[in-house]
Amino acid sequence: KNEVEQSPQNLTAQEGEFITINCSYSVGISALHWLQQHPGGGIVSLFMLSSGKKKHGRLIATINIQEKHSSLHITASHPRDSAVYICAVPSLETSGSRLTFGEGTQLTVNP
Amino acid sequence: KAGVTQTPRYLIKTRGQQVTLSCSPISGHRSVSWYQQTPGQGLQFLFEYFSETQRNKGNFPGRFSGRQFSNSRSEMNVSTLELGDSALYLCASSLGQTVAHEQYFGPGTRLTVT
Repeated sequence: KNEVEQSPQNLTAQEGEFITINCSYSVGISALHWLQQHPGGGIVSLFMLSSGKKKHGRLIATINIQEKHSSLHITASHPRDSAVYICAVPSLETSGSRLTFGEGTQLTVNP
Repeated sequence: KAGVTQTPRYLIKTRGQQVTLSCSPISGHRSVSWYQQTPGQGLQFLFEYFSETQRNKGNFPGRFSGRQFSNSRSEMNVSTLELGDSALYLCASSLGQTVAHEQYFGPGTRLTVT
């Protein structure tokens, strides 16, 4: 089973700050997902990456396959970025779309 | 393209009853996965269907079951509800067979068991 650890569990920032959320996993993977969950429950897929770096607006995700580590960065954070950020990796025991999730990072951005 | 839809969005049931939740994937997506989210356990995988076949199953009791129809719509059923089944149930759809395909999540069904 692939264990996933995220840090920090909670993060409070002031508007405009640069945010970094980290994710480590125990077994080699083919792809890693970053998800965002707002209050109310809906989950949005932010990134799926298997190598290098991806950027979308103020969000940047990086992954280091050798070190089994990924980071999610938010530049110029804004109160609307307040949400839970979750990383997820596939289960290597089976084929298909089964994901194992980190516990999530609760981000609060204050104005 | 319409996103993943789940019905109902909210549900209150009594212990011992059964419940059926529905998930309609994005058009063209053949894989539907179901997840349970609780404050104590976080997000946990329930099962996955691909082309009407259950491909993976998580560590949940047999009271949890599901199926997928030929149009890729999926239902999950929980029988003999327990208080601990209170949770947010999320489904996600993707194009195909591996986790190399991005998963798109629905808004979830919040189930409360009293």
